[in-house]
Amino acid sequence: DQQVKQNSPSLSVQEGRISILNCDYTNSMFDYFLWYKKYPAEGPTFLISISSIKDKNEDGRFTVFLNKSAKHLSLHIVPSQPGDSAVYFCAARIMNRDDKIIFGKGTRLHILP
Amino acid sequence: GAGVSQSPRYKVAKRGQDVALRCDPISGHVSLFWYQQALGQGPEFLTYFQNEAQLDKSGLPSDRFFAERPEGSVSTLKIQRTQQEDSAVYLCASSLVRNSGNTIYFGEGSWLTVV
Repeated sequence: DQQVKQNSPSLSVQEGRISILNCDYTNSMFDYFLWYKKYPAEGPTFLISISSIKDKNEDGRFTVFLNKSAKHLSLHIVPSQPGDSAVYFCAARIMNRDDKIIFGKGTRLHILP
Repeated sequence: GAGVSQSPRYKVAKRGQDVALRCDPISGHVSLFWYQQALGQGPEFLTYFQNEAQLDKSGLPSDRFFAERPEGSVSTLKIQRTQQEDSAVYLCASSLVRNSGNTIYFGEGSWLTVV
């Protein structure tokens, strides 16, 4: 069973507009959430994270929102740039208990010129 | 090098062949992870080491998969009698300390194709 779900396999957004990537999770024990970005033929790279004690974390053009009651998080990229075209993975873990990170299947983001 | 290094980058194996994939973590990183990423899927956890101790191997799909990190640095993932369903990218990651949250660094992966 998929504990971290990214239901949109792909998303196309016009350059300069906002990109919103969504993620749902089922395990209420998760208390730390991460977003990774992956270019072809490269390993995933860390983008931004959020602890379950917060509902928002912002880093430059990237903001992650967490809605614990809905077990939902989203990544907002604004404004979207051509270099943002990549696969984005939502991930979660249980800090101080499990060391592993559980990943979603990813969403491929295309930024259109 | 500065990052996590994996070798070989690409490996084609005949069904039934044994393969060994190597991971050189970032120097000084005590935690090391192996993940398997099939085409169109997200990375799936295989196993985790804290120094030389394998603390979690719950993700290894079968007893054909074996991982070791004998001196707490370089790690090897071995797959015996490879099968077509083993075709995937095998990602290694390391972090400086346990429960480091956002500071887990991934290598570029070893792409395994079993024919």
